Amino acid sequence: AQKITQTQPGMFVQEKEAVTLDCTYDTSDPSYGLFWYKQPSSGEMIFLIYQGSYDQQNATEGRYSLNFQKARKSANLVISASQLGDSAMYFCAMREYSSASKIIFGSGTRLSIRP
Amino acid sequence: GAGVSQSPSNKVTEKGKDVELRCDPISGHTALYWYRQSLGQGLEFLIYFQGNSAPDKSGLPSDRFSAERTGGSVSTLTIQRTQQEDSAVYLCASSLGTLAPTDTQYFGPGTRLTVL
Repeated sequence: AQKITQTQPGMFVQEKEAVTLDCTYDTSDPSYGLFWYKQPSSGEMIFLIYQGSYDQQNATEGRYSLNFQKARKSANLVISASQLGDSAMYFCAMREYSSASKIIFGSGTRLSIRP
Repeated sequence: GAGVSQSPSNKVTEKGKDVELRCDPISGHTALYWYRQSLGQGLEFLIYFQGNSAPDKSGLPSDRFSAERTGGSVSTLTIQRTQQEDSAVYLCASSLGTLAPTDTQYFGPGTRLTVL
C-alpha cells in the first residue's frame, strides 16, 4: 500500500535561510509521481513542484527544488532563501501509475519563517 | 474561469440538516476530486470523477455522503443528515485527467463546513 510520511510536524527557520522539509514514501509500483503542495492560512492548496519516478534529474522550480533519492524513497523539498511568505503548511503527496485516481497526502509540515 | 472555484466558502448548519457543496473545475479538465481536511490534518480522499467513467467512491466515509458531476463539469457533494464530525474543509481539485503520474491536481479554495 502506498504511504507518505512527513516526520516534522513543525519547523522554525530564520528568514533568508534555506530549509529542507522531509518526505519519505512507500510504494511497490515502479511508476509514480511525487508532488509538493503549499497551504497558506487562506486554505488553498498551491502546487509547487513535481518529480516523476523515472526522472533522472531532481526537479527545480524557482526557489524550490526536490531532493529525490529513489533508493531511499525520499523526496525532500528544499526552499532556498526563505521568505516570510513561505510560512505555511507543506504537504508531500504521491500518485502511483496503477491507481491513477488516488493521490495520497502526508500529514504535513507547518513551516514558520522568523524575520 | 482561471482556476477551480467552490461555493459556498463557508457553511454553518445544524446537526441533521443536509448540505450541498459545489465545485466548478478548470475548463478542459476531465478529472475532478473531492477531499476532506479536518482541522490540523492532512487530506482525506473522498471521490474521483474521470470523464464519463463510473466515479471512484472508495473514499466516501458513509452512505450519507454522495456526489455527482453533471455534464462532465460542475460537481456537487451532498452530505445528508450532517453530524458534528462532518465539520471540516472540503476541497475540490481538478486535473487534465491523463491518468499518468504527472497529472497535476489544482485545488479550489475549499468550503469550510461547520456542523453545530
